[in-house]
Amino acid sequence: NAGVTQTPKFRILKIGQSMTLQCTQDMNHNYMYWYRQDPGMGLKLIYYSVGAGITDKGEVPNGYNVSRSTTEDFPLRLELAAPSQTSVYFCASRLAGGGNSPLHFGNGTRLTVT
Amino acid sequence: DQQVKQNSPSLSVQEGRISILNCDYTNSMFDYFLWYKKYPAEGPTFLISISSIKDKNEDGRFTVFLNKSAKHLSLHIVPSQPGDSAVYFCAASEAAGNKLTFGGGTRVLVKP
Repeated sequence: NAGVTQTPKFRILKIGQSMTLQCTQDMNHNYMYWYRQDPGMGLKLIYYSVGAGITDKGEVPNGYNVSRSTTEDFPLRLELAAPSQTSVYFCASRLAGGGNSPLHFGNGTRLTVT
Repeated sequence: DQQVKQNSPSLSVQEGRISILNCDYTNSMFDYFLWYKKYPAEGPTFLISISSIKDKNEDGRFTVFLNKSAKHLSLHIVPSQPGDSAVYFCAASEAAGNKLTFGGGTRVLVKP
């Protein structure tokens, strides 16, 4: 059981470039999330999805886009990379909403924009 | 507006002693609280949780205490072990909420 898989593990982008961070889960979870963690900081929610075809903004959505065409996949798109998007990005999933359904995280994608 | 705060960015403790991590929140609609543990180069992993109808939940060496009136929770690790050295995140959720709100984390170092 792979859980939540994120690719790539590392990436360096030049300012203005675009890329897609991939996330897939094999637990048949309905809910999926993208968080970013800046150095020394906590996790901030970028976007989330409660099921295929449904997405919603989190705290810091500017500069990002998402789609959820299948239950398994939740890619995060950066269109015009900026240095402020240098961060570690974590994808997570859980079976249901509500507090008593813990998140399962991937191992992250470390992105540097120069 | 930080709804979940961990005011101690780091904590150093001797092996075998107690580690106490603190977390404060401002949103009175939060109904469920979770602690996550994170090692370098890995994603956070779920550790323990507590519902607002309880004031204590215990799982082995880990105990979480909730004081709703003070909007405060704490995680106790007894006894602390070197493998507990990690960053610990407090998180909170509303009862029917879709989102988890995280604190800034506390880095724990357990010295042998």
